[in-house]
Amino acid sequence: SYELTQVPSVSVSPGQTASITCSGDALAKHYGHWYQQKPGQAPVLLIKQDNERPSGIPERFSGSSSGTIMTLTISGVQAEDEADYYCQSAGSGGIYSVVFGGGTKLTVL
Amino acid sequence: EVQLVESGGALVQPGRSLRLSCAASGFTFHDYTMHWVRQAPGKGLEWVSGISWNSGSIDQADSVKGRFTISRDNAKNALYLQMNSLRPEDTALYYCAKSYYGGNSYYFDYWGQGTLVTVSS
Repeated sequence: SYELTQVPSVSVSPGQTASITCSGDALAKHYGHWYQQKPGQAPVLLIKQDNERPSGIPERFSGSSSGTIMTLTISGVQAEDEADYYCQSAGSGGIYSVVFGGGTKLTVL
Repeated sequence: EVQLVESGGALVQPGRSLRLSCAASGFTFHDYTMHWVRQAPGKGLEWVSGISWNSGSIDQADSVKGRFTISRDNAKNALYLQMNSLRPEDTALYYCAKSYYGGNSYYFDYWGQGTLVTVSS
């Protein structure tokens, strides 16, 4: 079955660039997506289809994908970007199945 | 404005049943596949189940197969999750999520605020 792997934590200073990676076989065949979740809140779609920003998402968030790895890049990190970030792609079950990565906690120092 | 409002969460004993509901508004409900996603306390997101626009196709995570059943009522703009034989490991915040098919995989463009299910004796 498909699995998506993320590093548990990333730390970055304000104004720096943060890169969060997600790896898994599903990404070689399917688009990946990213979500941001702040404490006590529901997840928010951050990047869809590898690299598209939904309306209202700041330009400092960008995504890329190559082979079995996709990357979320946050340029000019701000304190408000401290959150958990999850990648997601298609699961290995039926057409509607979905798989999430384990999540990466971004800490802004 | 899209709104998804979950309800039905409660404290239940192991082995008992519970039915979650999600009231949808602000979009054409019957046009979209809908899902349930859960999050155990302090843990990551786990996909639970998805249902097609017309209830013709359903998928579930292996962890809930045979115990949970997703359904929908398009006339009421409502999504449901019938949860039977509940286990302590089912304890989680359960989110209702609207999905969109992006090329070759679904993603979730709107989420509710979640309803908490606690399974404990």
